[in-house]
Amino acid sequence: QVQLVESGGGLVKPGGSLRLSCAASGFTFSDYYMSWIRQAPGKGLEWVSFLSTSGTTIYYADSVKGRFTISRDNAKNSLYLQMNSLRAEDTAVYYCARPINDYGGNFDYWGQGTLVTVSS
Amino acid sequence: NFMLTQPHSVSESPGKTVTISCTRSWGRIASNYVQWYQQRPGSAPTTVIYEDNQRPSGVPDRFSGSIDSSSNSASLTISGLKTEDEADYYCQSYDSSNPWVFGGGTKLTVL
Repeated sequence: QVQLVESGGGLVKPGGSLRLSCAASGFTFSDYYMSWIRQAPGKGLEWVSFLSTSGTTIYYADSVKGRFTISRDNAKNSLYLQMNSLRAEDTAVYYCARPINDYGGNFDYWGQGTLVTVSS
Repeated sequence: NFMLTQPHSVSESPGKTVTISCTRSWGRIASNYVQWYQQRPGSAPTTVIYEDNQRPSGVPDRFSGSIDSSSNSASLTISGLKTEDEADYYCQSYDSSNPWVFGGGTKLTVL
């Protein structure tokens, strides 16, 4: 069965950095697009970033562009999100999810999320 | 960028039918598929409707989706409401400049 397991969340000071990981299993990871989506406490869902199978096509939400970097290691079945220059408004649960295409398609599987708290 | 606007909350009794709307601010709602996700408290979202009106396997046929071009909106209808349907529901569609756009979410209370 498909599993996506996020890790790497925690408490970080404003301006700090954090790297999230998402371990995938139960499917051929290298054949699928991947994305990060976040949800601030008590708020709605916000798409953050997208990465193609080979890593050559990348999209970012305007809110994170220039600060976050998405990457993947197909040999390790893993997705990453390097988050730099963190701000209080980046506080959220971060989910990795699998989109069925690269143009707004359904996210058919989600991880359980990892909480990132940006606070002094 | 367009926005998807949902009612903040809806409530209905068990056994009844409820419809949640999702209105696109500009551009045609029918120009891109709409998905609906259910998120129960403390859990990750799961898909209940994809591509406007398709149900993933395992989602009961009490859940249905539709598009109304006249109101430029999508709708999620849940019939025969059960207490387990109580959750937040999000619509989502595509924008070329921001590929995945989510609505603000609707809290469904089954009372």
